[in-house]
Amino acid sequence: AQSVSQHNHHVILSEAASLELGCNYSYGGTVNLFWYVQYPGQHLQLLLKYFSGDPLVKGIKGFEAEFIKSKFSFNLRKPSVQWSDTAEYFCAVNDYKLSFGAGTTVTVRA
Amino acid sequence: EAGVAQSPRYKIIEKRQSVAFWCNPISGHATLYWYQQILGQGPKLLIQFQNNGVVDDSQLPKDRFSAERLKGVDSTLKIQPAKLEDSAVYLCASSERGDSYEQYFGPGTRLTVT
Repeated sequence: AQSVSQHNHHVILSEAASLELGCNYSYGGTVNLFWYVQYPGQHLQLLLKYFSGDPLVKGIKGFEAEFIKSKFSFNLRKPSVQWSDTAEYFCAVNDYKLSFGAGTTVTVRA
Repeated sequence: EAGVAQSPRYKIIEKRQSVAFWCNPISGHATLYWYQQILGQGPKLLIQFQNNGVVDDSQLPKDRFSAERLKGVDSTLKIQPAKLEDSAVYLCASSERGDSYEQYFGPGTRLTVT
């Protein structure tokens, strides 16, 4: 199974700042890539996904992610965060089963 | 559409006791997953069912954990006997089919073993 690395454990930002969360996986081949988000007190939900095609994918709430095959990376971005983006973010990679990174806690200060 | 349901939401037991968790997937979803999420880590797959057959249970500690999915719908995950290191959130997820399809997660059961 894939090993998934998320670069940051905890990120603290002010509102309107830009956000970028790094994600790398361990080996190539055909993979499907996901970012999941868990808001405080809520369950995991899908933010965006990449299966094939345009390597720049757009998700809900203004998030986007870029798949760079040569770097085994799938980084998440948002140009301007809001207080409501405070959550835990998980990168996940699926080759034959879904493997998750350890997660990044994002705290947005008002 | 109704989401994945899980119960109980919280459970506190002493070590060596047994515990069971229940999951009801989204209607029509053939594939059901149980994950264990230890504090500070991402979810780890314990077992995957396709209808009522097991697809992958390679990371299920079979000496103490068991799971079943009768009639290809609801599922139960059991731990007997529990150890301190079993303290975690147990997540159930379902998808329309296996392989790469999007998984929908339930709220989880937070287990504390004392």
